[in-house]
Amino acid sequence: SQTIHQWPATLVQPVGSPLSLECTVEGTSNPNLYWYRQAAGRGLQLLFYSVGIGQISSEVPQNLSASRPQDRQFILSSKKLLLSDSGFYLCAWSVWLAEDTQYFGPGTRLTVL
Amino acid sequence: QKEVEQNSGPLSVPEGAIASLNCTYSDRGSQSFFWYRQYSGKSPELIMFIYSNGDKEDGRFTAQLNKASQYVSLLIRDSQPSDSATYLCAVVDTGFQKLVFGTGTRLLVSP
Repeated sequence: SQTIHQWPATLVQPVGSPLSLECTVEGTSNPNLYWYRQAAGRGLQLLFYSVGIGQISSEVPQNLSASRPQDRQFILSSKKLLLSDSGFYLCAWSVWLAEDTQYFGPGTRLTVL
Repeated sequence: QKEVEQNSGPLSVPEGAIASLNCTYSDRGSQSFFWYRQYSGKSPELIMFIYSNGDKEDGRFTAQLNKASQYVSLLIRDSQPSDSATYLCAVVDTGFQKLVFGTGTRLLVSP
């Protein structure tokens, strides 16, 4: 069965510090991978998605970036965090043209102070 | 800009009642539709998906799809306090390998 991992689970970072969040998927090959952010009391905002290694589509211009160094690994980064980067970061995977269903990881709660 | 609209709620129902959650979408070409449940502080979990017009039942949950009206709904029968959560509607963005999510409807089931 497929499993998706995210770490860390919780993170508190000062403004201006760098960020690296990691997501890995087990039990499937060549998944589509997604990064979402959910601000407090708000809906899901798609940040990046990837249909293959090295292929990244950005949905929203901001100070975040994403990379996919391996088939089942997706990394979200920032060089300098802003207060507005606080939120709940969710990674998701899908196998397109199978069910198109996205399955979410447990999330990382980021607080920028 | 493809959109998915949901009433933010909260929708309050007594225990044992039927909860009806609604969603409209703008992309007439959409073929696949999903309902997720998200408990406070947790990640969304899939409840069910529907591709064809009509009803699809899974236990206490029934999804209803009307493509002509661009409308999808979720009925929860015999609502329980444990059903209290935010329910997210999602629609496939035709031509792109991604989903478009609504902002969610908060459901409160009172004992």
